This record gives sequence, structure tokens and C-alpha cells, in this order.
Amino acid sequence: GDSVTQMEGPVTLSEEAFLTINCTYTATGYPSLFWYVQYPGEGLQLLLKATKADDKGSNKGFEATYRKETTSFHLEKGSVQVSDSAVYFCALILYGNKLVFGAGTILRVKS
Amino acid sequence: DAGVTQSPTHLIKTRGQQVTLRCSPKSGHDTVSWYQQALGQGPQFIFQYYEEEERQRGNFPDRFSGHQFPNYSSELNVNALLLGDSALYLCASSIPGQGTGELFFGEGSRLTVL
Repeated sequence: GDSVTQMEGPVTLSEEAFLTINCTYTATGYPSLFWYVQYPGEGLQLLLKATKADDKGSNKGFEATYRKETTSFHLEKGSVQVSDSAVYFCALILYGNKLVFGAGTILRVKS
Repeated sequence: DAGVTQSPTHLIKTRGQQVTLRCSPKSGHDTVSWYQQALGQGPQFIFQYYEEEERQRGNFPDRFSGHQFPNYSSELNVNALLLGDSALYLCASSIPGQGTGELFFGEGSRLTVL
């Protein structure tokens, strides 16, 4: 079945460090891909998305590129801040609005 | 503009009991989905309601049932609770037909089964 695999955490970085969170997927068709973020005490919220191969999603300094050849959608940010500390979920949609999530990666940023 | 609201925020039940969780979607949204998030895991899709009918269902037993009301709010019912049902239950709303995958989530209802 369709699935998403993302790197295990927690990932601990110092402020202004470069961030990469790896995400790969398995799907029977051509899904749309998403990164959702869950800040402490808040609900999940959409961070960015890409709907077709080679699309780049971006928001709040985060970027991810839809790579069909490697079935990947890695999340990157050039300089993280303490306020970026959260749990990040990679997800895909094939049909309707049924999201398939990865297990999540905890990011901790130290000042 | 109120976002997705869920109640209760926390509750404790014992095995074999039944529970009802409630959700009000974001203003203007008429589709509601429910997800189960076990500790340390990503959310798992339970089902989706639109026009008061269940439209899609994930791999959950019949003990999990739902309802959508004419005002688009929704309930999730779980019967014969098991210890493994302990989780954060998330409600998400969306606009159908957009195909964007952008769901708006509530903060969840944390269920503990003893």
C-alpha cells in the first residue's frame, strides 16, 4: 500500500544551522506531497506542498522538491530558529483528501 | 474566524466502555475527516464525512463509527474500548473538490483507556 518513510528523530540543531529531514514515499500512482508541522500545544498545520514532479514547495524559509526518480520529498531550511522546534510530518495524497502520514520527526533547536 | 474545534480535550475511559468525540469544522468547510495518532506515530486516517455520509474509510474496525450533522459538525464514536485505542484523535476539515490536500486540524482529543 501507499506509505511514507521519514528519518527518525529527534534531530537536535543549534540556531542558524542547516536542516534536512529526509522523506521517501511509496505509491501506486502519482501523489501530491506535503509537509505538515505540529508546534507544541497546537494542531497540525500545512507547511508546504507540491503536486507534481519537480515542483518545489516553499514556506517560512522551508523548501522541499518533489523528486519522482528518487520518490523523495526532503525538507530543508538554510538557517533554523528556536521557534522552528516542532514535529514535522511528511504526507501524501492519492485520492480524495485521505492523507497518508509518515511517523514524524521531532526537531529541537537550541539557542 | 474560528478554526477546527474539538471536545473534550482529554478524557479517561475503561476497557469496554464507549466514547463520543465531537468536532466543529472551520467556517466554510463541509467535509470532516478523523485521524488517530498513537504516541510517537503519524496520524492514521479513520474516515471522512461529507453531506452527512461516510465517503472514505481507513483500516479501522466497525467499533469506530461516525456521524455528520446538517451544520457540518461531526462525532466519532468508539465502542467496546480497548487499551490500544488510547491515542490522540484529530479532526480535520476541508473543502471538497479542491484536491489540494490542505486539511485544517483541531488540537485533538486525547483518549486514555485504562
